[in-house]
Amino acid sequence: DSGVTQTPKHLITATGQRVTLRCSPRSGDLSVYWYQQSLDQGLQFLIQYYNGEERAKGNILERFSAQQFPDLHSELNLSSLELGDSALYFCASRSRGQAPNEQFFGPGTRLTVL
Amino acid sequence: ELKVEQNPLFLSMQEGKNYTIYCNYSTTSDRLYWYRQDPGKSLESLFVLLSNGAVKQEGRLMASLDTKARLSTLHITAAVHDLSATYFCAVWDFNKFYFGSGTKLNVKP
Repeated sequence: DSGVTQTPKHLITATGQRVTLRCSPRSGDLSVYWYQQSLDQGLQFLIQYYNGEERAKGNILERFSAQQFPDLHSELNLSSLELGDSALYFCASRSRGQAPNEQFFGPGTRLTVL
Repeated sequence: ELKVEQNPLFLSMQEGKNYTIYCNYSTTSDRLYWYRQDPGKSLESLFVLLSNGAVKQEGRLMASLDTKARLSTLHITAAVHDLSATYFCAVWDFNKFYFGSGTKLNVKP
């Protein structure tokens, strides 16, 4: 158990809908990273937040947005869903301990768009 | 854009054999990470390599980093079935992690 929690574990929805994925980082970690893992695209970095502020952006679509709240949990919002958005979505938090920038991944949310 | 290339992408090997997975990257970063992922599961951190010449070992796995060659290797010694998984390398550069495509390892009894 990495200490990073994600909800829900599974999500099934229809095209055109909007969903929200939630992530709580490990205690003491200020950074949250979001990733999308699909069969054809591999593991893609989406976005990073640090202590409530956006720090880095990757291959995140305009239909997707994220935020990090004062209690440091983060939400990834996916709207106007398409079949191709079906994937595993991971969040990770970053340690500030002996191994700088080591990430710890949550269990993931499996999104299925029908 | 930074590229991280792993090879092979698929590896089928017999128990007891040795093999090496290679990770080439296109930046001068000196921070390289290895992860393991079991099917349908999350990523588990295996090794963190933070300088040129770094070598880390855990059980039958040993990782090394050559920043001059921009190459990291993950060596498997006397493979066992429990090592069957997908292995990813990742490079840290300018606030982002860049992952390789992964190497799917299948160790046959």
